Amino acid sequence: ETGVTQSPTHLIKTRGQQVTLRCSSQSGHNTVSWYQQALGQGPQFIFQYYREEENGRGNFPPRFSGLQFPNYSSELNVNALELDDSALYLCASYLAGGELFFGEGSRLTVL
Amino acid sequence: EDQVTQSPEALRLQEGESSSLNCSYTVSGLRGLFWYRQDPGKGPEFLFTLYSAGEEKEKERLKATLTKKESFLHITAPKPEDSATYLCAVHNYGQNFVFGPGTRLSVLP
Repeated sequence: ETGVTQSPTHLIKTRGQQVTLRCSSQSGHNTVSWYQQALGQGPQFIFQYYREEENGRGNFPPRFSGLQFPNYSSELNVNALELDDSALYLCASYLAGGELFFGEGSRLTVL
Repeated sequence: EDQVTQSPEALRLQEGESSSLNCSYTVSGLRGLFWYRQDPGKGPEFLFTLYSAGEEKEKERLKATLTKKESFLHITAPKPEDSATYLCAVHNYGQNFVFGPGTRLSVLP
């Protein structure tokens, strides 16, 4: 039990649609990051938020965007979905110097 | 660019057959090296953090070690419930965590 919850757990979208994934971080963790994990691969860093500001971004296009809210919740938005966006999306929170605490992920399928 | 590689890609062991998983890394500045366990369809579960070369940590049948270029996860007398994907990650001073592709471990009864 990590204290990080994600919703929805599974969803199916079609190409060109938009999706919003949500995450509730562990209380007190002011840093949240999002990862994309394709089948059989390790998690790939999308971006990170610290105190509601984006402070790091991986090699993902601008159609991947996010928000962090004062209550430690956050969301990942993906516009103009492509087939290759099908993956497990993981939210993780941490305190500086510590480890990442992951949620169970949101499985996105794009048809 | 920071990189993490893991070997082998997959490993099948008989119950009780000890082995080691390798994580090799290149990083501009290492804040920590992390090991995670991931079960199918689940989020990664934290196992260990190592901060400096020579450091070792143990938990039940698992022992993690760290050198300046690689880390090993030693599994002693594994059981079927140890079957999972084991992920290695480095935390750099750019505040990012860079993950390797993982090693899929299967322990047969």
